[in-house]
Amino acid sequence: NAGVTQTPKFQVLKTGQSMTLQCAQDMNHNSMYWYRQDPGMGLRLIYYSASEGTTDKGEVPNGYNVSRLNKREFSLRLESAAPSQTSVYFCAISESSGYNEQFFGPGTRLTVL
Amino acid sequence: GEDVEQSLFLSVREGDSSVINCTYTDSSSTYLYWYKQEPGAGLQLLTYIFSNMDMKQDQRLTVLLNKKDKHLSLRIADTQTGDSAIYFCAESSTGGYNKLIFGAGTRLAVHP
Repeated sequence: NAGVTQTPKFQVLKTGQSMTLQCAQDMNHNSMYWYRQDPGMGLRLIYYSASEGTTDKGEVPNGYNVSRLNKREFSLRLESAAPSQTSVYFCAISESSGYNEQFFGPGTRLTVL
Repeated sequence: GEDVEQSLFLSVREGDSSVINCTYTDSSSTYLYWYKQEPGAGLQLLTYIFSNMDMKQDQRLTVLLNKKDKHLSLRIADTQTGDSAIYFCAESSTGGYNKLIFGAGTRLAVHP
């Protein structure tokens, strides 16, 4: 039972390259989230998916797209990476009700040169 | 808008108590949370408090909530080196779905 897994763990891109960050869960939770973490700024929500088949923008969606492939998987795509997207990206999941505890993956550290 | 603020650093001696403070702006927050992040890892929920409570205790952790001042604190008794981490305060926000607004995190350093 891995909880939330993310791939890759590390990635270096050149400006303009594209890539997809993958997130998968085995907890059968409905809601999934993508955050970015930058020094001194805490976590900021990029996109979320309240349930399978739905996605919505969070606080900082520009430059990103997401796909909720099925209940287990939620991917984040950078179509044309920019140095400002250098960050640590976390996927999180939660049940859709209650006190909304979110379970986090281990993160993907992305550097855009 | 919604905002959560924390001091960025705290240094304590091993065995002392640590108190990490947080202020938030959304008076309609239902739950307030403390998450812990160890180096190279994701965030892990430490504890939470419902907005109609003043205090919650869980082993070495005590959470105090002052709703009037919108102030939340986390006290760690008998702080150990294993408590060294970044601690994030977060509030749940209303507005159509449950989302969390995180503070910038307080880095706790425990020294001998």
